[in-house]
Amino acid sequence: EPEVTQTPSHQVTQMGQEVILRCVPISNHLYFYWYRQILGQKVEFLVSFYNNEISEKSEIFDDQFSVERPDGSNFTLKIRSTKLEDSAMYFCASWTGKTEQYFGPGTRLTVT
Amino acid sequence: AQTVTQSQPEMSVQEAETVTLSCTYDTSESDYYLFWYKQPPSRQMILVIRQEAYKQQNATENRFSVNFQKAAKSFSLKISDSQLGDAAMYFCAYTGGGADGLTFGKGTHLIIQP
Repeated sequence: EPEVTQTPSHQVTQMGQEVILRCVPISNHLYFYWYRQILGQKVEFLVSFYNNEISEKSEIFDDQFSVERPDGSNFTLKIRSTKLEDSAMYFCASWTGKTEQYFGPGTRLTVT
Repeated sequence: AQTVTQSQPEMSVQEAETVTLSCTYDTSESDYYLFWYKQPPSRQMILVIRQEAYKQQNATENRFSVNFQKAAKSFSLKISDSQLGDAAMYFCAYTGGGADGLTFGKGTHLIIQP
């Protein structure tokens, strides 16, 4: 069964540093997403990406965040200058638009 | 904006019993998708069941079924014959489809008593 993969599984970084979280969505899916889950809280939508551009973004997705699909397979989330409050689990997801969104296993980001 | 409400922060059920988790949502759309996701301690998001709003028939997947009441904007999950492996956080989620992101509820922590 096809699956969404994410790397790394855990990333530790210092406040103010840039991080790039990587995802490989399912190949025939059209829509790609990033979500965030702070420990003990609900999953929050960050951004959706379709046809090589951002489709929607939430209030959380401010100027410090960016997304890219550099090579037709990878889908990345960049956080330019990390803050303590960026510590969370970050999930990538993809779907065809009609069935269900498939989630990757997540990247746990710890900002110290 | 769409909202999803799960009013039960925690539920407990005896193994082999049936439990129902509640979810309500608010939307002005007529066509949309609803999901229940399970999140075990590993924090992986696992799809349990999905429902397309245009389908009147309630979705079922083995021991899992939903009671979808479109007019009431209610989408409850029934787990029959509860098993220890069902213990997890359960999140209800809504999307209008396409590029819309999922809107999640706050989750229900399900405890299975042996």
